[in-house]
Amino acid sequence: QLQLQESGPGLVKPSETLSLTCIVSGGSISSSGHSCAWIRQSPGKGLEWIGSIYYNGDIYFNPSLKSRVAIFGDMSKTQFSLELKSVTAADTAVYYCARRVSLSGIDSWGQGTLVTVSS
Amino acid sequence: DIQMTQSPSTLSASVGDRVTLTCRASQSISGWLAWYQQKPGRAPKLLIYAASTLQPGVPSRFSGSGSGTEFTLTISNLQPDDFATYYCQKYNAYPFIFGQGTKLEI
Repeated sequence: QLQLQESGPGLVKPSETLSLTCIVSGGSISSSGHSCAWIRQSPGKGLEWIGSIYYNGDIYFNPSLKSRVAIFGDMSKTQFSLELKSVTAADTAVYYCARRVSLSGIDSWGQGTLVTVSS
Repeated sequence: DIQMTQSPSTLSASVGDRVTLTCRASQSISGWLAWYQQKPGRAPKLLIYAASTLQPGVPSRFSGSGSGTEFTLTISNLQPDDFATYYCQKYNAYPFIFGQGTKLEI
């Protein structure tokens, strides 16, 4: 069964860059139609899609975050990463990595990691 | 960008009830809609994709319908484990926006 695990600092200072990596095991993210996503959830709030990277390297971002976000990865090595620049307290959230199979919803999720932006 | 609006924001129900949650898109998304269930402190779980296709392993008391701009998630014979927050998500085209959620409570 596919497992995803987020890793990275739990505390980031304002104006700095948030960096997270997702390690995937037990399955593929490099097959045709597969994509991997970063999604976040601020405390007590709903889900916000950040962006996705496809098996072929295509990347898509939420327009509201596009200017600050980078997603990159080596899908054949089953890991991908998120960078969010110039963070503020509003970026404090649980960050999830996840996988989506073509034509379906997001069927596999990491457990999520809380990132707090504070000095 | 297309906006996704869920209603109601909160729904009170009892074990054994049948409930219907609604998700509306500001423009047509054909049938490219997924529903997720999320419990406190847990990652979301995919329930339904393509508006009406049940994800393997999801109980048959969950069902989805709709196309275009209006979609529903129906839960029949509510069980204690069903009390959670439910989100819809469009995936016809990027960005893959989520609705704001419906909290189903006792």
